[in-house]
Amino acid sequence: QTVVTQEPSLTVSPGGTVTLTCASSTGAVTSGYYPNWFQQKPGQAPRALIYSTSNKHSWTPARFSGSLLGGKAALTLSGVQPEDEAEYYCLLYYGGARVFGGGTKLTVL
Amino acid sequence: QVQLQESGPGLVKPSQTLSLTCTVSGGSISSGGYYWSWIRQHPGKGLEWIGYIYYSGSTYYNPSLKSRVTISVDTSKNQFSLKLSSVTAADTAVYYCARVVGDDSVDYWGQGTLVTVSS
Repeated sequence: QTVVTQEPSLTVSPGGTVTLTCASSTGAVTSGYYPNWFQQKPGQAPRALIYSTSNKHSWTPARFSGSLLGGKAALTLSGVQPEDEAEYYCLLYYGGARVFGGGTKLTVL
Repeated sequence: QVQLQESGPGLVKPSQTLSLTCTVSGGSISSGGYYWSWIRQHPGKGLEWIGYIYYSGSTYYNPSLKSRVTISVDTSKNQFSLKLSSVTAADTAVYYCARVVGDDSVDYWGQGTLVTVSS
């Protein structure tokens, strides 16, 4: 069974920069896994932020960026705002199957 | 602006079949290149991919749920549906429908609907 692993929790100061990562139990994450990133706030549906590693949706704030880093997919938030406090999920594509990571709870403190 | 809206019973008895419908507005479900998907989230937990359907009817199901899941599409109503049979309390979750663009993007989500399995 494929497992996608994210940091359970991270803390960042307002205005700071933080990087969340997404690893696959099958090995290095590449662009062929089409990494997607989502933000979810309490009581709300997930909101899409990044697709296909680094592409932003029209509504994605400029401070969010996606990349591949050290064999993992990565989501970087630069100039973090208090409203960025949320749960973040990655999603990887396995040739038909799609598997979510367990989520990273980001605290802005 | 594409919008998705889930509907269906919020309470299902154990061993029965959970049935949900997702109504798509602002775009045609028959447009090529899109996969119409169901995702769930157990209370306080992460997201789980259930499966998806193409407008032509081809489907993919999560292997862990495959024996109990059926996803269908009604292009005349611009809707797609989820049926999950033989439910137990472990199927209690918020169920979301979402649109997948090709292989690489999940963009629009419904607001989600809580389904509780209880007698």
